[in-house]
Amino acid sequence: NAGVTQTPKFRVLKTGQSMTLLCAQDMNHEYMYWYRQDPGMGLRLIHYSVGEGTTAKGEVPDGYNVSRLKKQNFLLGLESAAPSQTSVYFCASTDDLLARTLYEQYFGPGTRLTVT
Amino acid sequence: GDSVTQMEGPVTLSEEAFLTINCTYTATGYPSLFWYVQYPGEGLQLLLKATKADDKGSNKGFEATYRKETTSFHLEKGSVQVSDSAVYFCALRVYSSASKIIFGSGTRLSIRP
Repeated sequence: NAGVTQTPKFRVLKTGQSMTLLCAQDMNHEYMYWYRQDPGMGLRLIHYSVGEGTTAKGEVPDGYNVSRLKKQNFLLGLESAAPSQTSVYFCASTDDLLARTLYEQYFGPGTRLTVT
Repeated sequence: GDSVTQMEGPVTLSEEAFLTINCTYTATGYPSLFWYVQYPGEGLQLLLKATKADDKGSNKGFEATYRKETTSFHLEKGSVQVSDSAVYFCALRVYSSASKIIFGSGTRLSIRP
């Protein structure tokens, strides 16, 4: 049981390049999330998904796209990277179908992205 | 909108000192409250949680009490260890669609031996 995994762990892009970050979870969770973490700003939600085939915008969605073709995978794409997208990206998942008291988000180890 | 404000860091303490990290929140409805911890090079882990007023969450010697009257959820530990050095995030979730969590900006804690 690996939990939540992310690939790659590190990446350097030039401005204008594209890339896809992969998040995978083996806990059969319905809900998945992509966050970015910047110094002094905590975590901000980029996009999320409440189930296979669904996606929705979070707090800071501009410049990113996502897809959830399979329940266990949630992909985050940058079509044309910008220096402002230099950040650490975290994926998380949860299964909140039972009750509010059982809620917990499980996080991946993060992807450190630098855009030059 | 819903928000979380937590004590700015960094916080540096000596081993065995008492720790308090302040957290206050603004939310409509009745949020659940959380403390997450991030150790160097890792993702976030849930440290403790409380889902209703006056609940006390506790784990690994850390405690926090859900105070509705002061809209606070301060993190405390009686005697910190070097291994507690990490970034601590206060967070809330309002029970609505998608189970989204709102995080505070994080407080970096460093413990000196």
